[in-house]
Amino acid sequence: QQPVQSPQAMILREGEDAVINCSSSKALYSVHWYRQKHGEAPVFLMILLKGGEQKGHDKISASFNEKKQQSSLYLTASQLSYSGTYFCGTESGSNYKLTFGKGTLLTVNP
Amino acid sequence: EAGVVQSPRYKIIEKKQPVAFWCNPISGHNTLYWYRQNLGQGPELLIRYENEEAVDDSQLPKDRFSAERLKGVDSTLKIQPAELGDSAVYLCASSLDFGPRVDYGYTFGSGTRLTVV
Repeated sequence: QQPVQSPQAMILREGEDAVINCSSSKALYSVHWYRQKHGEAPVFLMILLKGGEQKGHDKISASFNEKKQQSSLYLTASQLSYSGTYFCGTESGSNYKLTFGKGTLLTVNP
Repeated sequence: EAGVVQSPRYKIIEKKQPVAFWCNPISGHNTLYWYRQNLGQGPELLIRYENEEAVDDSQLPKDRFSAERLKGVDSTLKIQPAELGDSAVYLCASSLDFGPRVDYGYTFGSGTRLTVV
């Protein structure tokens, strides 16, 4: 079951904050977040495991709400380098399979 | 440390022709994935290997797609014959451990962009 990401796209000014959401209709065991720049490989940002934890490094953090079956990625004081497409990958069920959402295109302008 | 290496970077072929993609994962990574990414979409899993065993190939179109991972290291994904709808980016990824619950996530290669004309 493919997770639903929102918004599909967003444009920010440098220094602004952003939140990207990832929702599933099934119970989640883990959520991955990746950033992909145009023509490049997706790059792993972080993983959240079942248990409702929050993680973060630098100005990028994420939460995992087990009851709501959703995860959110928080980008604080965005930088130009944050531009790209953000994908969440969710693991639901016991098949150890990661299914990716359609992505959120983030553009950060000066 | 070298990342996941894929070749070729780009490939243009005529429909009905065969094509093969090669992937060299990070040394020591036991799990290898092949994903297909259509334009504007997220990666879609085709096949997952644990060492040399294909443990999930449920989404691999087996009438035309095949894959192998000899000796549990390099992997090759083949399409024969290619169709127009196969145009996409084919991504290879590897991870240290089995399944998605790995601290360092998946490491993706830069992919092979296939265009079928």
